[in-house]
Amino acid sequence: DSGVTQTPKHLITATGQRVTLRCSPRSGDLSVYWYQQSLDQGLQFLIQYYNGEERAKGNILERFSAQQFPDLHSELNLSSLELGDSALYFCASAFREMNTEAFFGQGTRLTVV
Amino acid sequence: DQQVKQNSPSLSVQEGRISILNCDYTNSMFDYFLWYKKYPAEGPTFLISISSIKDKNEDGRFTVFLNKSAKHLSLHIVPSQPGDSAVYFCAAGRTGNQFYFGTGTSLTVIP
Repeated sequence: DSGVTQTPKHLITATGQRVTLRCSPRSGDLSVYWYQQSLDQGLQFLIQYYNGEERAKGNILERFSAQQFPDLHSELNLSSLELGDSALYFCASAFREMNTEAFFGQGTRLTVV
Repeated sequence: DQQVKQNSPSLSVQEGRISILNCDYTNSMFDYFLWYKKYPAEGPTFLISISSIKDKNEDGRFTVFLNKSAKHLSLHIVPSQPGDSAVYFCAAGRTGNQFYFGTGTSLTVIP
């Protein structure tokens, strides 16, 4: 158990809908990262927050947004969902802002039908 | 554009032998590198890291080698054990920026 909690574990939704994925980092960790893993793909970095502020942005679509709250949990919002958004979404947390290993949650498997 | 490549999707090794997993990157500015291990239905777990000021880092049975001129890193597992069977991801990045992950190599250690 990494100490990072992601909910829900599975999500099935229709195209055009909006969903929110939630991540609770390890106790004491200030950084939260979001990654997307599509079939046979590596982990694609989406976005990083550190202590409530956005720190780095990857190939995150405009339809996607995220935030980190004062209690350090984070939410990833995915809207106008398309079939191609079906993937595993991982959250990871770390104490430091950069150059550090991160601890991953078990992921949320999103299926868009 | 894949900045980190793991060209071997799978690898099988006999128990007790050495496993060598390879990773290539394209950006010469990358200065921090990590390996993660992933079991099915679990998130990736950090294994070992190396910064660009070193060319080798060792942790028990796991050693990572970095060849900056070739933009290549490798993970050696000696001796390999059946419990090492998993997907291994390498990741690379530049200080202050995101990490780029490879597509993973599935290691099977045969008892």
